[in-house]
Amino acid sequence: QVQLQESGPGLVKSSETLSLTCTVSGDSISSNSHYWAWIRQPPGKGLEYIGSVFYDGTTDYNPSFESRLTVSVDMSKNQFSLKLTSVTAADTAVYFCARDTFSAGIQRWGQGALVTVSS
Amino acid sequence: DIQMTQSPSSVSASVGDRVTITCRASQGINDFLAWYQQKPGKAPKLLIFATSNLELGVPSRFSGSGSGTDFTLTISSLQPEDFAIYYCQQAKSFPRTFGQGTKLEVK
Repeated sequence: QVQLQESGPGLVKSSETLSLTCTVSGDSISSNSHYWAWIRQPPGKGLEYIGSVFYDGTTDYNPSFESRLTVSVDMSKNQFSLKLTSVTAADTAVYFCARDTFSAGIQRWGQGALVTVSS
Repeated sequence: DIQMTQSPSSVSASVGDRVTITCRASQGINDFLAWYQQKPGKAPKLLIFATSNLELGVPSRFSGSGSGTDFTLTISSLQPEDFAIYYCQQAKSFPRTFGQGTKLEVK
Protein backbone atom coordinates (compact mmCIF):
# COMPACT_ATOMS: atom_id res chain seq x y z
CA GLN A 1 0.00 0.00 0.00
CA VAL A 2 1.48 3.30 -1.10
CA GLN A 3 1.77 5.92 1.63
CA LEU A 4 3.18 9.44 1.65
CA GLN A 5 4.02 11.36 4.82
CA GLU A 6 4.99 15.01 5.10
CA SER A 7 7.40 16.17 7.79
CA GLY A 8 8.92 19.48 8.76
CA PRO A 9 8.41 22.54 10.96
CA GLY A 10 4.85 23.66 11.50
CA LEU A 11 5.88 27.24 12.18
CA VAL A 12 8.16 29.37 10.02
CA LYS A 13 9.06 33.02 10.47
CA SER A 14 8.30 35.52 7.79
CA SER A 15 11.15 36.01 5.25
CA GLU A 16 12.67 32.64 6.16
CA THR A 17 12.64 29.33 4.27
CA LEU A 18 9.89 26.74 4.48
CA SER A 19 11.28 23.21 4.21
CA LEU A 20 9.24 20.02 4.02
CA THR A 21 10.11 16.42 3.26
CA CYS A 22 7.85 13.70 1.95
CA THR A 23 8.69 10.10 2.76
CA VAL A 24 7.26 7.55 0.36
CA SER A 25 6.56 3.95 1.36
CA GLY A 26 5.13 1.12 -0.71
CA ASP A 27 6.51 2.55 -3.95
CA SER A 28 9.90 3.50 -5.31
CA ILE A 29 10.59 7.17 -5.93
CA SER A 30 12.85 6.05 -8.77
CA SER A 31 9.81 4.89 -10.74
CA ASN A 32 9.39 6.58 -14.10
CA SER A 33 5.62 6.15 -13.86
CA HIS A 34 4.93 9.16 -11.64
CA TYR A 35 5.77 12.72 -10.81
CA TRP A 36 6.22 13.55 -7.13
CA ALA A 37 4.34 16.71 -6.36
CA TRP A 38 3.67 19.37 -3.78
CA ILE A 39 0.22 20.95 -3.55
CA ARG A 40 -1.00 23.41 -0.97
CA GLN A 41 -4.31 24.63 0.40
CA PRO A 42 -4.58 27.89 2.35
CA PRO A 43 -7.10 27.75 5.20
CA GLY A 44 -10.64 27.71 3.82
CA LYS A 45 -9.45 27.95 0.21
CA GLY A 46 -8.84 25.74 -2.80
CA LEU A 47 -5.95 23.62 -4.04
CA GLU A 48 -2.80 25.05 -5.63
CA TYR A 49 -0.18 22.96 -7.42
CA ILE A 50 3.27 24.16 -6.36
CA GLY A 51 5.65 21.97 -8.33
CA SER A 52 6.85 18.48 -9.01
CA VAL A 53 9.95 16.39 -9.56
CA PHE A 54 10.57 13.35 -11.73
CA TYR A 55 12.82 10.48 -10.65
CA ASP A 56 15.69 11.86 -12.79
CA GLY A 57 15.57 15.22 -11.04
CA THR A 58 13.62 17.01 -13.75
CA THR A 59 11.35 19.59 -12.16
CA ASP A 60 8.24 21.47 -13.15
CA TYR A 61 7.40 24.55 -11.14
CA ASN A 62 4.30 26.69 -10.99
CA PRO A 63 5.48 30.08 -12.35
CA SER A 64 3.85 31.69 -9.31
CA PHE A 65 6.54 30.12 -7.12
CA GLU A 66 9.42 29.57 -9.52
CA SER A 67 11.76 32.29 -8.25
CA ARG A 68 11.76 30.97 -4.69
CA LEU A 69 11.06 27.25 -5.08
CA THR A 70 13.24 24.15 -5.07
CA VAL A 71 11.84 20.63 -5.29
CA SER A 72 14.32 17.77 -5.17
CA VAL A 73 14.44 14.01 -4.82
CA ASP A 74 16.60 11.79 -2.61
CA MET A 75 16.42 8.28 -3.99
CA SER A 76 18.62 6.83 -1.28
CA LYS A 77 15.97 7.75 1.31
CA ASN A 78 12.94 7.38 -0.97
CA GLN A 79 12.04 10.97 -0.20
CA PHE A 80 11.42 14.21 -2.00
CA SER A 81 11.50 17.70 -0.58
CA LEU A 82 10.23 21.24 -0.91
CA LYS A 83 12.05 24.47 -0.12
CA LEU A 84 10.22 27.76 -0.43
CA THR A 85 12.24 30.86 0.37
CA SER A 86 11.21 34.33 1.54
CA VAL A 87 7.87 33.21 2.93
CA THR A 88 5.09 35.56 3.96
CA ALA A 89 1.78 35.10 5.73
CA ALA A 90 0.26 34.28 2.33
CA ASP A 91 2.26 31.03 2.37
CA THR A 92 0.37 29.78 5.42
CA ALA A 93 -1.35 26.62 4.21
CA VAL A 94 -1.72 22.88 4.50
CA TYR A 95 1.00 21.41 2.30
CA PHE A 96 0.32 18.05 0.69
CA CYS A 97 2.83 15.81 -0.99
CA ALA A 98 1.38 13.60 -3.67
CA ARG A 99 2.00 11.09 -6.44
CA ASP A 100 0.95 12.46 -9.81
CA THR A 101 0.45 9.68 -12.31
CA PHE A 102 0.25 11.69 -15.53
CA SER A 103 -3.17 11.39 -17.12
CA ALA A 104 -4.31 8.95 -14.43
CA GLY A 105 -4.55 11.76 -11.92
CA ILE A 106 -3.11 12.40 -8.48
CA GLN A 107 -3.76 9.00 -7.03
CA ARG A 108 -1.99 9.19 -3.69
CA TRP A 109 -1.79 12.05 -1.23
CA GLY A 110 -0.08 12.58 2.10
CA GLN A 111 -2.29 13.55 5.01
CA GLY A 112 -1.10 17.16 4.77
CA ALA A 113 1.04 19.34 7.01
CA LEU A 114 -0.11 22.71 8.28
CA VAL A 115 2.62 25.33 8.00
CA THR A 116 2.00 28.68 9.61
CA VAL A 117 4.11 31.69 8.73
CA SER A 118 4.46 34.07 11.64
CA SER A 119 5.64 37.62 11.70
CA ASP B 1 -1.55 28.32 -17.31
CA ILE B 2 -4.82 26.59 -18.10
CA GLN B 3 -7.63 28.07 -16.01
CA MET B 4 -10.32 25.73 -14.68
CA THR B 5 -13.73 27.11 -13.78
CA GLN B 6 -16.31 25.08 -11.87
CA SER B 7 -19.99 25.73 -11.47
CA PRO B 8 -21.84 26.03 -9.29
CA SER B 9 -19.65 27.12 -6.38
CA SER B 10 -22.09 25.46 -4.04
CA VAL B 11 -25.16 23.29 -4.37
CA SER B 12 -27.73 22.10 -1.85
CA ALA B 13 -29.25 18.70 -2.36
CA SER B 14 -30.92 15.83 -0.55
CA VAL B 15 -30.08 12.16 -0.19
CA GLY B 16 -31.23 10.37 -3.32
CA ASP B 17 -30.94 13.44 -5.57
CA ARG B 18 -29.02 13.50 -8.83
CA VAL B 19 -26.33 16.19 -8.86
CA THR B 20 -24.23 17.51 -11.71
CA ILE B 21 -21.15 19.70 -11.39
CA THR B 22 -19.53 21.29 -14.41
CA CYS B 23 -15.94 22.25 -15.13
CA ARG B 24 -14.69 24.37 -18.00
CA ALA B 25 -11.08 24.67 -19.15
CA SER B 26 -9.72 27.87 -20.66
CA GLN B 27 -8.30 25.85 -23.55
CA GLY B 28 -8.70 22.34 -24.85
CA ILE B 29 -7.35 19.61 -22.61
CA ASN B 30 -8.49 16.57 -24.59
CA ASP B 31 -9.70 14.15 -21.91
CA PHE B 32 -7.01 14.97 -19.34
CA LEU B 33 -9.45 15.83 -16.58
CA ALA B 34 -9.70 14.44 -13.07
CA TRP B 35 -12.23 14.88 -10.25
CA TYR B 36 -11.52 14.81 -6.54
CA GLN B 37 -13.61 14.72 -3.39
CA GLN B 38 -12.39 16.42 -0.23
CA LYS B 39 -13.86 16.16 3.23
CA PRO B 40 -12.95 18.48 6.12
CA GLY B 41 -9.46 17.95 7.47
CA LYS B 42 -8.64 15.29 4.88
CA ALA B 43 -6.59 15.10 1.72
CA PRO B 44 -8.46 15.08 -1.57
CA LYS B 45 -9.46 11.70 -2.90
CA LEU B 46 -9.27 10.87 -6.59
CA LEU B 47 -12.69 9.86 -7.94
CA ILE B 48 -12.34 9.97 -11.72
CA PHE B 49 -9.39 10.29 -14.08
CA ALA B 50 -9.15 10.82 -17.83
CA THR B 51 -12.65 12.35 -17.81
CA SER B 52 -14.68 9.20 -17.30
CA ASN B 53 -12.55 6.50 -15.68
CA LEU B 54 -13.59 5.55 -12.18
CA GLU B 55 -10.74 5.15 -9.71
CA LEU B 56 -10.63 1.73 -8.07
CA GLY B 57 -13.07 1.48 -5.19
CA VAL B 58 -15.14 4.53 -6.13
CA PRO B 59 -18.89 3.79 -6.20
CA SER B 60 -20.55 3.56 -9.59
CA ARG B 61 -23.00 6.36 -8.73
CA PHE B 62 -20.14 8.69 -9.67
CA SER B 63 -19.60 9.30 -13.36
CA GLY B 64 -17.78 11.78 -15.55
CA SER B 65 -18.13 12.95 -19.12
CA GLY B 66 -16.98 15.61 -21.54
CA SER B 67 -14.10 16.45 -23.81
CA GLY B 68 -12.11 19.43 -25.01
CA THR B 69 -13.09 22.24 -22.67
CA ASP B 70 -16.37 21.18 -21.01
CA PHE B 71 -16.72 18.41 -18.46
CA THR B 72 -19.24 17.16 -15.94
CA LEU B 73 -19.26 15.11 -12.78
CA THR B 74 -22.56 13.43 -11.99
CA ILE B 75 -23.62 11.73 -8.78
CA SER B 76 -26.66 9.68 -9.71
CA SER B 77 -28.18 9.17 -6.27
CA LEU B 78 -26.63 11.13 -3.42
CA GLN B 79 -25.61 9.24 -0.32
CA PRO B 80 -24.94 10.84 3.09
CA GLU B 81 -21.19 10.35 2.70
CA ASP B 82 -21.14 12.33 -0.57
CA PHE B 83 -21.54 15.74 1.06
CA ALA B 84 -18.12 17.26 0.53
CA ILE B 85 -16.19 19.64 -1.72
CA TYR B 86 -15.45 18.54 -5.27
CA TYR B 87 -12.56 19.76 -7.42
CA CYS B 88 -11.73 19.28 -11.07
CA GLN B 89 -8.10 19.32 -12.24
CA GLN B 90 -6.49 19.36 -15.65
CA ALA B 91 -3.67 16.91 -16.28
CA LYS B 92 -2.84 18.09 -19.81
CA SER B 93 0.07 20.31 -18.89
CA PHE B 94 2.13 21.82 -16.10
CA PRO B 95 1.40 23.49 -13.86
CA ARG B 96 -1.56 21.31 -13.05
CA THR B 97 -4.49 23.55 -12.19
CA PHE B 98 -7.63 22.98 -10.18
CA GLY B 99 -11.09 24.41 -10.29
CA GLN B 100 -12.09 26.56 -7.34
CA GLY B 101 -14.24 23.79 -5.88
CA THR B 102 -17.95 23.03 -5.54
CA LYS B 103 -19.35 22.57 -2.06
CA LEU B 104 -22.12 19.98 -1.96
CA GLU B 105 -24.32 20.70 1.05
CA VAL B 106 -27.33 19.12 2.65
CA LYS B 107 -30.60 20.80 1.70
